[in-house]
Amino acid sequence: GAGVSQSPRYKVAKRGQDVALRCDPISGHVSLFWYQQALGQGPEFLTYFQNEAQLDKSGLPSDRFFAERPEGSVSTLKIQRTQQEDSAVYLCASSLAVTEAFFGQGTRLTVV
Amino acid sequence: GQQLNQSPQSMFIQEGEDVSMNCTSSSIFNTWLWYKQDPGEGPVLLIALYKAGELTSNGRLTAQFGITRKDSFLNISASIPSDVGIYFCAGQLGKTSYDKVIFGPGTSLSVIP
Repeated sequence: GAGVSQSPRYKVAKRGQDVALRCDPISGHVSLFWYQQALGQGPEFLTYFQNEAQLDKSGLPSDRFFAERPEGSVSTLKIQRTQQEDSAVYLCASSLAVTEAFFGQGTRLTVV
Repeated sequence: GQQLNQSPQSMFIQEGEDVSMNCTSSSIFNTWLWYKQDPGEGPVLLIALYKAGELTSNGRLTAQFGITRKDSFLNISASIPSDVGIYFCAGQLGKTSYDKVIFGPGTSLSVIP
């Protein structure tokens, strides 16, 4: 596609429910990043993939957060047993080797 | 870890005025980036700076990479209504997109027609 596509755009989850957020990067982009953006804050790094390899997951806030990119293209961010503090916009970005990273529109997750 | 501070937190200006916003860091970065985020959208890169002291322009935008590598500023000249949004500075330890981007808290800009 023309840009990074994320789905769903909006997700409301009951506390304790598991959610899965999808990111379709720009075709051919090697690098893929996930960020979490709380209301009124800047995005915070969660994890980074180079192709299918998850090279950095230092930003994942707890073991309830899990990300995968099994074929080096589409990526899924999974949050298990969601908590209210997980409410945020989850942004995905992709890039070629040394060029800028392009961000998707994000998924707004609200945990009630 | 690395932390970025941005000032001002928000600003309201008249259309046509020039704007200046700053970013400081507790750590040295080797790449500085400025992004703009519109409501409901992801951040869009405005300017990238790769060398200490570098001054770069992109249309009405000008940004500089501080010589200490711990600060940067962004200027917008002759503001227009579509400049409204949140401006984030960001730093990278390296010079490639492989390096994770550390974002500041943002400066919210409102332009009064």
